[in-house]
Amino acid sequence: KAGVTQTPRYLIKTRGQQVTLSCSPISGHRSVSWYQQTPGQGLQFLFEYFSETQRNKGNFPGRFSGRQFSNSRSEMNVSTLELGDSALYLCASSFTHNEQFFGPGTRLTVL
Amino acid sequence: GQNIDQPTEMTATEGAIVQINCTYQTSGFNGLFWYQQHAGEAPTFLSYNVLDGLEEKGRFSSFLSRSKGYSYLLLKELQMKDSASYLCALVDDYKLSFGAGTTVTVRA
Repeated sequence: KAGVTQTPRYLIKTRGQQVTLSCSPISGHRSVSWYQQTPGQGLQFLFEYFSETQRNKGNFPGRFSGRQFSNSRSEMNVSTLELGDSALYLCASSFTHNEQFFGPGTRLTVL
Repeated sequence: GQNIDQPTEMTATEGAIVQINCTYQTSGFNGLFWYQQHAGEAPTFLSYNVLDGLEEKGRFSSFLSRSKGYSYLLLKELQMKDSASYLCALVDDYKLSFGAGTTVTVRA
C-alpha cells in the first residue's frame, strides 16, 4: 500500500507570493490533516478534512486555507507569504482517529 | 486549550532503558499518541492510548493515567537507531496537539 505523498518536496518562494501544497492520502483514508513544523514552535495543527468538509482548524491566520477533493486528495494554500511561514508542512491521513500516517512533508523556504 | 509538557532532552546508553514522561492538561480528551521523528524525516506512529494502563509493543511500551494527566513512553534495549525526537500528542475533536518533543540520544 502506498504511503502518504506530498508535492512538491521543496519549495522556495519570496515574501508576498502565494503557494499551494498537495497531499495524496493512503488509499481508503478519508481524513487528511495538515501541520506546520518549525524549530521554535514545534508541530502545530493547521486543519483537518474529512469527506471534503473541514472539521477542525488550528490557530492560524486566514492566509492559510485548505480544501479536500472527492478523491480525498487535499491541498493547502498560503497567500501573501511571510518570512515566518518558512517551515516543514506535513500532511497526515487516517482511516480512524486512532492512527495518523504522515507524509514526508514539503519544506517551504520564504526569502 | 491544551498544555503538554515533556522533557527536552534525554541521554542513555545502548542496551539501557529510558522512560519519557508526558504530562498534560486538556479540556477534551480522545486519546494520546506517541510518535518518533528522526531528524529530517516525518513522524512515525509508535503507540496510541485511550484507556488507562500499559500498552506494550515490542521494545516500546506506553502508559496512560487519565486522572493524573500523565503518560510515559518506555524504550527498552536501546539501540543507536532509537536516537530521535519522541513526540507526545493529544487528540481531541479530530485535532492532534503535540508536545515540543523529547530528543533522545543513545550513546555506545
